[in-house]
Amino acid sequence: AQTVTQSQPEMSVQEAETVTLSCTYDTSESDYYLFWYKQPPSRQMILVIRQEAYKQQNATENRFSVNFQKAAKSFSLKISDSQLGDAAMYFCAFKTSYDKVIFGPGTSLSVIP
Amino acid sequence: KAGVTQTPRYLIKTRGQQVTLSCSPISGHRSVSWYQQTPGQGLQFLFEYFSETQRNKGNFPGRFSGRQFSNSRSEMNVSTLELGDSALYLCASSWTVGGETQYFGPGTRLLVL
Repeated sequence: AQTVTQSQPEMSVQEAETVTLSCTYDTSESDYYLFWYKQPPSRQMILVIRQEAYKQQNATENRFSVNFQKAAKSFSLKISDSQLGDAAMYFCAFKTSYDKVIFGPGTSLSVIP
Repeated sequence: KAGVTQTPRYLIKTRGQQVTLSCSPISGHRSVSWYQQTPGQGLQFLFEYFSETQRNKGNFPGRFSGRQFSNSRSEMNVSTLELGDSALYLCASSWTVGGETQYFGPGTRLLVL
Protein backbone atom coordinates (compact mmCIF):
# COMPACT_ATOMS: atom_id res chain seq x y z
CA ALA A 1 0.00 0.00 0.00
CA GLN A 2 1.16 3.49 -0.77
CA THR A 3 1.97 5.79 2.12
CA VAL A 4 2.95 9.45 2.37
CA THR A 5 5.02 10.79 5.25
CA GLN A 6 5.62 14.38 6.28
CA SER A 7 8.08 14.30 9.14
CA GLN A 8 7.73 17.95 10.13
CA PRO A 9 4.40 18.58 11.89
CA GLU A 10 5.24 22.27 12.33
CA MET A 11 7.67 24.68 10.78
CA SER A 12 8.27 28.41 10.88
CA VAL A 13 10.02 30.82 8.56
CA GLN A 14 10.92 34.47 8.68
CA GLU A 15 9.14 36.65 6.15
CA ALA A 16 11.17 36.94 2.90
CA GLU A 17 13.26 33.89 3.79
CA THR A 18 13.22 30.43 2.19
CA VAL A 19 11.79 27.28 3.74
CA THR A 20 11.72 23.66 2.61
CA LEU A 21 8.98 21.21 3.57
CA SER A 22 9.78 17.51 3.39
CA CYS A 23 7.73 14.66 2.02
CA THR A 24 8.58 11.03 1.44
CA TYR A 25 6.38 8.33 0.00
CA ASP A 26 6.41 4.62 -0.44
CA THR A 27 5.21 2.87 -3.57
CA SER A 28 6.10 0.06 -5.90
CA GLU A 29 4.57 1.89 -8.85
CA SER A 30 6.73 3.59 -11.45
CA ASP A 31 4.10 5.90 -12.90
CA TYR A 32 2.41 8.28 -10.51
CA TYR A 33 1.71 11.90 -9.67
CA LEU A 34 2.70 14.02 -6.71
CA PHE A 35 1.06 17.17 -5.43
CA TRP A 36 1.45 19.82 -2.80
CA TYR A 37 -1.75 21.36 -1.52
CA LYS A 38 -2.09 24.35 0.79
CA GLN A 39 -4.91 24.71 3.30
CA PRO A 40 -5.09 28.16 4.91
CA PRO A 41 -7.29 28.89 7.94
CA SER A 42 -10.27 29.29 5.60
CA ARG A 43 -9.93 25.48 5.06
CA GLN A 44 -10.06 25.83 1.27
CA MET A 45 -7.58 23.36 -0.23
CA ILE A 46 -5.52 25.02 -2.93
CA LEU A 47 -3.20 23.25 -5.37
CA VAL A 48 0.33 24.60 -5.04
CA ILE A 49 2.27 22.45 -7.45
CA ARG A 50 2.11 19.14 -9.31
CA GLN A 51 4.80 16.73 -10.53
CA GLU A 52 4.54 13.79 -12.90
CA ALA A 53 6.90 11.00 -11.91
CA TYR A 54 8.01 10.39 -15.49
CA LYS A 55 9.33 13.94 -15.75
CA GLN A 56 12.87 14.40 -14.52
CA GLN A 57 12.62 18.17 -14.45
CA ASN A 58 11.46 19.58 -11.14
CA ALA A 59 8.21 21.52 -11.28
CA THR A 60 8.18 25.22 -10.43
CA GLU A 61 5.36 27.67 -9.91
CA ASN A 62 6.49 31.22 -9.19
CA ARG A 63 7.99 31.19 -5.66
CA PHE A 64 7.25 27.49 -5.21
CA SER A 65 9.49 24.71 -6.48
CA VAL A 66 10.00 21.05 -5.73
CA ASN A 67 12.98 18.77 -5.39
CA PHE A 68 11.78 15.45 -6.77
CA GLN A 69 14.12 12.53 -6.09
CA LYS A 70 12.41 9.48 -7.57
CA ALA A 71 14.95 6.91 -6.45
CA ALA A 72 14.84 8.22 -2.90
CA LYS A 73 11.04 8.62 -3.08
CA SER A 74 11.34 12.16 -1.85
CA PHE A 75 9.31 15.19 -2.88
CA SER A 76 10.17 18.36 -0.98
CA LEU A 77 8.61 21.79 -1.46
CA LYS A 78 10.70 24.95 -1.39
CA ILE A 79 9.02 28.28 -0.77
CA SER A 80 11.18 31.27 -1.63
CA ASP A 81 10.64 34.84 -0.43
CA SER A 82 8.06 33.67 2.09
CA GLN A 83 5.05 35.90 2.54
CA LEU A 84 2.54 36.19 5.37
CA GLY A 85 -0.10 34.68 3.09
CA ASP A 86 1.95 31.49 2.84
CA ALA A 87 1.02 30.60 6.43
CA ALA A 88 -1.10 27.47 6.15
CA MET A 89 -1.16 23.71 6.47
CA TYR A 90 0.67 22.07 3.60
CA PHE A 91 -0.23 18.58 2.45
CA CYS A 92 1.85 16.34 0.24
CA ALA A 93 -0.25 13.96 -1.86
CA PHE A 94 0.36 10.93 -4.05
CA LYS A 95 -1.75 9.41 -6.80
CA THR A 96 -1.44 6.62 -9.31
CA SER A 97 -3.64 6.53 -12.36
CA TYR A 98 -7.12 5.27 -11.59
CA ASP A 99 -6.52 5.13 -7.87
CA LYS A 100 -7.35 7.39 -4.96
CA VAL A 101 -5.27 10.32 -3.76
CA ILE A 102 -3.31 9.62 -0.59
CA PHE A 103 -2.48 12.60 1.58
CA GLY A 104 0.29 12.99 4.12
CA PRO A 105 -0.48 14.21 7.66
CA GLY A 106 0.44 17.79 6.82
CA THR A 107 2.96 20.41 7.92
CA SER A 108 1.76 23.57 9.62
CA LEU A 109 3.80 26.52 8.36
CA SER A 110 3.98 29.77 10.29
CA VAL A 111 5.44 32.92 8.77
CA ILE A 112 7.05 35.35 11.20
CA PRO A 113 6.86 39.02 10.24
CA LYS B 1 -15.28 29.59 -14.50
CA ALA B 2 -16.94 28.86 -11.18
CA GLY B 3 -15.14 26.60 -8.73
CA VAL B 4 -16.37 23.57 -6.87
CA THR B 5 -19.35 24.40 -4.69
CA GLN B 6 -20.57 22.51 -1.67
CA THR B 7 -23.82 22.86 0.21
CA PRO B 8 -24.56 23.33 2.96
CA ARG B 9 -21.42 24.92 4.39
CA TYR B 10 -22.31 24.15 7.99
CA LEU B 11 -24.57 21.56 9.52
CA ILE B 12 -25.50 20.50 13.02
CA LYS B 13 -27.17 17.12 13.52
CA THR B 14 -27.84 14.80 16.43
CA ARG B 15 -26.78 11.20 16.82
CA GLY B 16 -28.90 8.76 14.88
CA GLN B 17 -29.99 11.26 12.26
CA GLN B 18 -28.94 11.12 8.64
CA VAL B 19 -27.42 13.82 6.48
CA THR B 20 -26.98 14.52 2.79
CA LEU B 21 -24.21 16.74 1.46
CA SER B 22 -24.07 18.11 -2.06
CA CYS B 23 -21.19 18.92 -4.38
CA SER B 24 -21.27 20.67 -7.75
CA PRO B 25 -18.05 20.21 -9.71
CA ILE B 26 -16.33 22.69 -11.96
CA SER B 27 -18.14 22.88 -15.29
CA GLY B 28 -16.89 20.11 -17.57
CA HIS B 29 -15.38 18.03 -14.78
CA ARG B 30 -16.75 14.52 -14.69
CA SER B 31 -14.95 13.07 -11.70
CA VAL B 32 -15.91 13.86 -8.11
CA SER B 33 -14.13 12.63 -4.98
CA TRP B 34 -15.11 12.97 -1.36
CA TYR B 35 -12.82 13.23 1.66
CA GLN B 36 -13.31 13.38 5.39
CA GLN B 37 -10.94 15.62 7.35
CA THR B 38 -10.59 15.37 11.12
CA PRO B 39 -7.83 16.56 13.46
CA GLY B 40 -7.07 13.02 14.56
CA GLN B 41 -7.23 11.10 11.27
CA GLY B 42 -6.28 13.80 8.79
CA LEU B 43 -7.60 13.59 5.25
CA GLN B 44 -9.25 10.29 4.46
CA PHE B 45 -10.63 9.26 1.10
CA LEU B 46 -14.31 8.31 1.05
CA PHE B 47 -15.16 7.58 -2.58
CA GLU B 48 -14.72 8.70 -6.15
CA TYR B 49 -17.34 8.89 -8.88
CA PHE B 50 -16.89 9.19 -12.61
CA SER B 51 -19.72 9.22 -15.12
CA GLU B 52 -22.22 8.20 -12.43
CA THR B 53 -20.16 5.13 -11.46
CA GLN B 54 -18.26 4.65 -8.24
CA ARG B 55 -14.68 3.96 -9.20
CA ASN B 56 -12.90 3.87 -5.87
CA LYS B 57 -14.01 3.50 -2.29
CA GLY B 58 -12.19 4.14 0.95
CA ASN B 59 -12.37 2.20 4.20
CA PHE B 60 -15.55 3.62 5.65
CA PRO B 61 -18.59 1.75 6.97
CA GLY B 62 -21.66 1.24 4.82
CA ARG B 63 -23.36 4.15 6.59
CA PHE B 64 -21.42 6.35 4.19
CA SER B 65 -22.77 6.30 0.66
CA GLY B 66 -22.71 8.50 -2.37
CA ARG B 67 -23.97 8.93 -5.87
CA GLN B 68 -23.36 11.02 -8.93
CA PHE B 69 -25.95 12.41 -11.29
CA SER B 70 -25.83 12.76 -15.06
CA ASN B 71 -24.81 16.42 -14.73
CA SER B 72 -21.80 15.27 -12.61
CA ARG B 73 -23.20 16.75 -9.41
CA SER B 74 -22.63 14.42 -6.50
CA GLU B 75 -24.20 13.77 -3.14
CA MET B 76 -22.95 11.86 -0.15
CA ASN B 77 -25.18 10.50 2.55
CA VAL B 78 -24.34 9.46 6.08
CA SER B 79 -26.98 7.49 7.91
CA THR B 80 -27.28 6.84 11.64
CA LEU B 81 -24.84 9.62 12.52
CA GLU B 82 -22.28 9.04 15.26
CA LEU B 83 -20.34 11.61 17.25
CA GLY B 84 -17.19 10.55 15.42
CA ASP B 85 -18.68 11.63 12.10
CA SER B 86 -18.12 15.26 13.08
CA ALA B 87 -15.67 16.48 10.49
CA LEU B 88 -14.99 18.70 7.52
CA TYR B 89 -16.21 16.94 4.37
CA LEU B 90 -14.35 18.00 1.27
CA CYS B 91 -15.37 17.43 -2.30
CA ALA B 92 -12.92 17.63 -5.20
CA SER B 93 -13.48 17.50 -8.94
CA SER B 94 -11.29 16.78 -11.94
CA TRP B 95 -11.71 16.40 -15.71
CA THR B 96 -11.39 12.67 -15.53
CA VAL B 97 -9.80 9.95 -13.46
CA GLY B 98 -6.11 9.11 -13.62
CA GLY B 99 -3.51 11.67 -12.78
CA GLU B 100 -5.69 14.68 -13.23
CA THR B 101 -5.35 17.42 -10.65
CA GLN B 102 -8.24 17.59 -8.22
CA TYR B 103 -9.74 20.97 -7.36
CA PHE B 104 -11.38 21.24 -3.99
CA GLY B 105 -14.53 22.90 -2.76
CA PRO B 106 -14.74 24.90 0.48
CA GLY B 107 -16.08 21.93 2.43
CA THR B 108 -19.07 21.21 4.61
CA ARG B 109 -18.45 21.31 8.33
CA LEU B 110 -20.65 18.74 10.07
CA LEU B 111 -21.12 18.72 13.82
CA VAL B 112 -22.88 15.76 15.39
CA LEU B 113 -24.23 16.31 18.90
